[in-house]
Amino acid sequence: QVQLVESGGGLVKPGGSLRLSCAASGFTFSDYYMSWIRQAPGKGLEWVAYVSTTTDSIIYYADSVKGRFTISRDNAKNSLYLQMNSLRAEDTAVYYCARGGLRWVDFWGQGTLVTVSS
Amino acid sequence: QPVVTQEPSLTVSPGGTVTLTCASSIGAVTSGYFSNWFQQKPGQAPRALIYTTSNKHSWTPARFSGSLLGGKAALTLSGVQPEDEADYYCLLYYGGTRVFGGGTKLTVL
Repeated sequence: QVQLVESGGGLVKPGGSLRLSCAASGFTFSDYYMSWIRQAPGKGLEWVAYVSTTTDSIIYYADSVKGRFTISRDNAKNSLYLQMNSLRAEDTAVYYCARGGLRWVDFWGQGTLVTVSS
Repeated sequence: QPVVTQEPSLTVSPGGTVTLTCASSIGAVTSGYFSNWFQQKPGQAPRALIYTTSNKHSWTPARFSGSLLGGKAALTLSGVQPEDEADYYCLLYYGGTRVFGGGTKLTVL
């Protein structure tokens, strides 16, 4: 069965960096677009970034993270990443890894919490 | 950045029917927006229900259906069950941009 397991969240100071990982299993990872979606505490969902089947192809970032976050994937390791730099308090959220991003999203991970606070 | 608007809250009786809508700030929602719908219960990750306007995932209960209605994307629940109480989010695709609606809190009472 499809599984997406995020890791790498935690507490970081404003201006700091963090790298999130998502380990995928149960499907042919290299066949699918992949996305990061976040949810601030008590708030709605926000699309953060998506990447096509290879990192060299199509990548999209929300304006709120453009220039600070980098999405990438390693198809050999069945893994998706999100490098987050220059973190701000408003980046505090649960970050979800999700399969899809072209015209649909189907499976979601359980999420990893990122807290940006001094 | 377009804004996607949903009803903040709706209440429905068990066994009843309710329609949630999803409007775009830049005009009528069409099939080209590939609308998706997600359900989220407290403390859980979102679960996909509907994709590309009206297609159901293999796990989507038959009582959920997606459509276009009056220039909006719509999610209709027929024969609502107590376990359908949740937050529901729509997602619209604007070319390269993907935008979620603010969510509808559905109460079954």
